[in-house]
Amino acid sequence: EDQVTQSPEALRLQEGESSSLNCSYTVSGLRGLFWYRQDPGKGPEFLFTLYSAGEEKEKERLKATLTKKESFLHITAPKPEDSATYLCAVQAQNAGGTSYGKLTFGQGTILTVHP
Amino acid sequence: GAVVSQHPSRVICKSGTSVKIECRSLDFQATTMFWYRQFPKQSLMLMATSNEGSKATYEQGVEKDKFLINHASLTLSTLTVTSAHPEDSSFYICSAGLLRETQYFGPGTRLLVL
Repeated sequence: EDQVTQSPEALRLQEGESSSLNCSYTVSGLRGLFWYRQDPGKGPEFLFTLYSAGEEKEKERLKATLTKKESFLHITAPKPEDSATYLCAVQAQNAGGTSYGKLTFGQGTILTVHP
Repeated sequence: GAVVSQHPSRVICKSGTSVKIECRSLDFQATTMFWYRQFPKQSLMLMATSNEGSKATYEQGVEKDKFLINHASLTLSTLTVTSAHPEDSSFYICSAGLLRETQYFGPGTRLLVL
């Protein structure tokens, strides 16, 4: 069974204090690893898709990296508007039939950035 | 691009009534749509996967007669909560995606059953 574990559960940073969020996963052949941002009372907002170990993607202050066992979301010089819950999800390579396209989510990391 | 809408955003109903939630992909055709449920301070729980023109596939423990899903076109899926009870109160979120590609999520529907 595919599993995703995110750490820490919650992270408090001062504005400008860089840090990283971790997503450890086990999956029967990785098709893709996804990062989403979710604000309270809203649906998740897509950030990145990573497909293979060694891949990196960046968007503004965010950078996502991938290894064979985990992914990191690096936040550089965060601002208060980066406060949100960050969700990691995996999609299996051999997902077929009823599992086609299914995402398995971690519990999320609640990020709070203080001014 | 890749915008998914949901309607309504919030609904309050009496116990025993049925509620329909619509999910639309506005600028792309979605082969597959997914329905999730999210409890406070918890992650998303997949309820079912729907493919256009075929029956939905439900996750273990999700009652298919309770949560009716219809995927009539490549841009519209509906979730009907039948005979809703207070325990069905939750945040329901849909997502839409192309084959094996990124899922884009709707803004969610807050259901409160009195």
